[in-house]
Amino acid sequence: ETGVTQSPTHLIKTRGQQVTLRCSSQSGHNTVSWYQQALGQGPQFIFQYYREEENGRGNFPPRFSGLQFPNYSSELNVNALELDDSALYLCASSLAGVGEQFFGPGTRLTVL
Amino acid sequence: AQSVAQPEDQVNVAEGNPLTVKCTYSVSGNPYLFWYVQYPNRGLQFLLKYITGDNLVKGSYGFEAEFNKSQTSFHLKKPSALVSDSALYFCAVRDITGGYNKLIFGAGTRLAVHP
Repeated sequence: ETGVTQSPTHLIKTRGQQVTLRCSSQSGHNTVSWYQQALGQGPQFIFQYYREEENGRGNFPPRFSGLQFPNYSSELNVNALELDDSALYLCASSLAGVGEQFFGPGTRLTVL
Repeated sequence: AQSVAQPEDQVNVAEGNPLTVKCTYSVSGNPYLFWYVQYPNRGLQFLLKYITGDNLVKGSYGFEAEFNKSQTSFHLKKPSALVSDSALYFCAVRDITGGYNKLIFGAGTRLAVHP
C-alpha cells in the first residue's frame, strides 16, 4: 500500500508569483483534502476534492484553487502569493464518508 | 460549529513517567475525535480515533485516549513516556457541515520527554 506523497518538499517564491503543489493519494482513496498549517498553529482546512470536483471549501480566498485527476491525485494552486501564504501545506486522502484522513509529509512554502 | 481546544501549549514529562495531553471538544451531535502526531519537518501521523463504543481507545505506539462525554474531553495518554515521543500532538474533530467531511484541529500541544 502506497502512502500519501507530496511534491515538492520545499519551495521558495516571491510575492505576486503563482505556485502549484502536488499530491498523490493513498491507494484506494478517492477523496483529497488540503490543509494549510501556519507556523505554531494547527492545520486549517482549505478545500476538498471528490470525483474531480470541489465539494467543500474553508475560509480561503478564490486565489486558492485546485484540481483532482482521474487517478485521484490532486493539485493546489495559489495565485498572487502573499507573505502570509508562507506555511506547510498538507494533503490528506481518505475514502468518502469515512472520518479518518491520512496525511502526506507536506510542502513547505516560503514567500519572500 | 465544531471545535476542539488544547489548553496546554507544552507538556513536560520525564522518561518512564505517564503522560497526558489534554483535549476538550464542542460539537453538535455525536463526536468523531482523532489524535495526530507531528514530528519535525514531517506531516501528520494518525494515532487513534473515537467514533463510538468503548470510552478507552487504544492506538499506535502505545498511546490511548479516554473519551469522557460528561466532561467533553478526549485526553491522550501513555503509561510510560519515551524520549522519542517528543513531538507536536494535535486533537481533531470531524465536521460534516455542508455535507462533506473535514477535520477541525486544535492548536497543538508540544510534548517534551526528558531523559
